[in-house]
Amino acid sequence: GAVVSQHPSRVICKSGTSVKIECRSLDFQATTMFWYRQFPKQSLMLMATSNEGSKATYEQGVEKDKFLINHASLTLSTLTVTSAHPEDSSFYICSASSQGNSPLHFGNGTRLTVT
Amino acid sequence: QKEVEQDPGPLSVPEGAIVSLNCTYSNSAFQYFMWYRQYSRKGPELLMYTYSSGNKEDGRFTAQVDKSSKYISLFIRDSQPSDSATYLCAMRGDTDKLIFGTGTRLQVFP
Repeated sequence: GAVVSQHPSRVICKSGTSVKIECRSLDFQATTMFWYRQFPKQSLMLMATSNEGSKATYEQGVEKDKFLINHASLTLSTLTVTSAHPEDSSFYICSASSQGNSPLHFGNGTRLTVT
Repeated sequence: QKEVEQDPGPLSVPEGAIVSLNCTYSNSAFQYFMWYRQYSRKGPELLMYTYSSGNKEDGRFTAQVDKSSKYISLFIRDSQPSDSATYLCAMRGDTDKLIFGTGTRLQVFP
């Protein structure tokens, strides 16, 4: 149980375009999902907390207008990287838990390359 | 000082060895402790989840939490080449926010 699916697994886009990444909880409902960013050989950095039916909570230093998060249902959260630039190239990972004290389960990540 | 400290390694061991991975932390409010395994270019996979102090065993894996010392460990017995990955410790208090260690790269050679 507790499967989190993330799509796409890899995307290459041109500078200035926008990219949408989907995160789905397949066998449970998640009122809260989390979006992380990971640079090579580094740990996960929390970008924002996505709350179903309300605005996301962004970590300090993360531009909310650049990284748009929508949590429209209990099983789906999306992250849109707007006007992407090469420095946005990274590995983006989402996670969710089925209930308050349950551990987080992660998607398999999306490798974004902006050319 | 980081909230969670973890030696990045790399740690290289022969097949069959017992591996010990550790993290220390500074926030006494942490109550939930997790170990994740991450293969290259994949998302983290939950290995162990413990609450408060104590030991938990699952197959070849044993997780230990010592809250008095603010120290957690993951032991891997009879290590296999397929265990080669990065191991991340993670922990949190009552909030949802998970704090990760930097990860330890483990390589098990045949």
